[in-house]
Amino acid sequence: GAVVSQHPSWVICKSGTSVKIECRSLDFQATTMFWYRQFPKQSLMLMATSNEGSKATYEQGVEKDKFLINHASLTLSTLTVTSAHPEDSSFYICSADPGSNYGYTFGSGTRLTVV
Amino acid sequence: GENVEQHPSTLSVQEGDSAVIKCTYSDSASNYFPWYKQELGKRPQLIIDIRSNVGEKKDQRIAVTLNKTAKHFSLHITETQPEDSAVYFCAASINTDKLIFGTGTRLQVFP
Repeated sequence: GAVVSQHPSWVICKSGTSVKIECRSLDFQATTMFWYRQFPKQSLMLMATSNEGSKATYEQGVEKDKFLINHASLTLSTLTVTSAHPEDSSFYICSADPGSNYGYTFGSGTRLTVV
Repeated sequence: GENVEQHPSTLSVQEGDSAVIKCTYSDSASNYFPWYKQELGKRPQLIIDIRSNVGEKKDQRIAVTLNKTAKHFSLHITETQPEDSAVYFCAASINTDKLIFGTGTRLQVFP
């Protein structure tokens, strides 16, 4: 149980285009999801907290107009990287807490390459 | 906000030896401390966690200790095996709110 499904697992896009990444909680409701970015050989850096039915909370230094987050239902959160540039190339991964002391569960991650 | 430091950044051990990774946190309100194992290109996998109401937790070859006064916690892996080789991350949060990760430790276990 407590699975978070993330799609796509990898994507290559042209500079200037937008890419949408989806995370779904399959067997639990997630009022909150967390979005992280991980550059090669680095740690997971929290980008934003996605809240169902309200605006996301962004960490300092993360451009909210560039990284659009939508959490329209209790099981789906999306991250859209707008006007992507090569420096946005990274591993993006979502996470949620299923509750009941289960611990956070992570999506499988999305490797974004902007060319 | 919370800041988590992790040491060492790399750790090489012989198979069968023990490995210890240490983390310190800054926010005394943090009360949940998980440890994750991440293999290349994969999602982090929870290996053990501890809450601030206990000082130690053990699960087979893995144990975690927490010193709330000093604001540090450690991961101990005994009888290491080559398949333990991976990157390990500590993290901290307040009441299972957002997780703040440490910088990671690349563990290599040599046969």
